[in-house]
Amino acid sequence: SYVLTQAPSLTVAPGQTARITCGGNSIGSKSVHWYQQKPGQAPVLVIHDDSDRPSGISERFSGSNSGNTATLTIIRVEAGDEADYYCQVWDSDYGHPYVFGTGTQVTVL
Amino acid sequence: QVQLHESGPGLVKPSQTLSLTCSVSGGSISTGSFYWSWIRQPAGKGLEWIGRIYTSGSTDYNPSLKSRLTISLDTPKNQVSLKLTSVTAADTAVYYCARTIKTIDTDWFDPWGQGTLVTVSS
Repeated sequence: SYVLTQAPSLTVAPGQTARITCGGNSIGSKSVHWYQQKPGQAPVLVIHDDSDRPSGISERFSGSNSGNTATLTIIRVEAGDEADYYCQVWDSDYGHPYVFGTGTQVTVL
Repeated sequence: QVQLHESGPGLVKPSQTLSLTCSVSGGSISTGSFYWSWIRQPAGKGLEWIGRIYTSGSTDYNPSLKSRLTISLDTPKNQVSLKLTSVTAADTAVYYCARTIKTIDTDWFDPWGQGTLVTVSS
């Protein structure tokens, strides 16, 4: 099955830029979606289709996807951005159409 | 806007059947180009897609759970149900339901319910 790899953790200082990566074989040929999950809460969609931001999501969140790596970028990081972030793709080639990344825990420190 | 709310027993004995309900408000489960999915997350771990049901009632399941899983729609009640038989401790997790946005070449999940913790223990 298709595998999405994320770094387990990332620490970023307030006001700086966080770049969260999601690696997969030729992931650039797929559409990537990103979710933010704060402790004790359900995941929330922050980016869909590589770079589209849902209504209500801060403009500080953006996404890109090329080659074997998709990236979620958060500029001017705030304490409230501290969360786990998961990437996700849809893949029709497998009997398991939805694949999630392993997740990256972002700490703001 | 659409809101989802999961409910069901928080404790299930090993070998028994886990039954959960997802109540949907703010929209009909039988209209639109949507799937309704179940996703679970063991404590401290990542997300695992369990299965989905289309507005027509057709289903797709995670192959690893397929033999134990049933997902159904209760259209009059605007609810989506999950039944997982022969549970073990490995099925202990927070279970989420999520509306699945279906497009030509990709799907994504939005919104999600708040989740419900199910513990399998005697």
